[in-house]
Amino acid sequence: AQSVSQHNHHVILSEAASLELGCNYSYGGTVNLFWYVQYPGQHLQLLLKYFSGDPLVKGIKGFEAEFIKSKFSFNLRKPSVQWSDTAEYFCAVIPASGGSYIPTFGRGTSLIVHP
Amino acid sequence: DTAVSQTPKYLVTQMGNDKSIKCEQNLGHDTMYWYKQDSKKFLKIMFSYNNKELIINETVPNRFSPKSPDKAHLNLHINSLELGDSAVYFCASSQGGLQETQYFGPGTRLLVL
Repeated sequence: AQSVSQHNHHVILSEAASLELGCNYSYGGTVNLFWYVQYPGQHLQLLLKYFSGDPLVKGIKGFEAEFIKSKFSFNLRKPSVQWSDTAEYFCAVIPASGGSYIPTFGRGTSLIVHP
Repeated sequence: DTAVSQTPKYLVTQMGNDKSIKCEQNLGHDTMYWYKQDSKKFLKIMFSYNNKELIINETVPNRFSPKSPDKAHLNLHINSLELGDSAVYFCASSQGGLQETQYFGPGTRLLVL
């Protein structure tokens, strides 16, 4: 069974700082990768996703993520965070082959941005 | 317009009771899901339905029974509630199958006393 690790459980930054949240997964086959965000009091929503092609994907609100297949990683980045980026961030993996399309989520990273 | 809605938002009940959580999506999606988020915030898939047909059942106790009267609704009924069932339950939907982007409901926070 696949697993997803988000090593940073809590991150606290000041506005304008750069952000990188780690996501590593364990699965030997082809995967689809997602980052979801949950703003305070709101639903989980898609930030960005990677299915194939350019491993550097851009999402909403200036976020991007890079898929590095050799490292089984899909780290989320933003060059300059804002107070409104305070939220929970979840990485998710779904196998794209092998017949078992079970979504697996990481435990989330809580980001607090100080104004 | 709410895309994926769940009721109730909060549910507090005694051990041994039976309760239901309802989910509705107005996105026209074919696939719906139930997730459980535990106290450590891990989101784990419980069930998935595609066009009213069960396609994922992830080793969930028999006390949990999903019901999909139509493809826009996926309800979760829980019998004989236990303390360990306390969690946040999220409904979600997607178009085209399991590999696609999921749209989540607001969650139902269940507390079993």
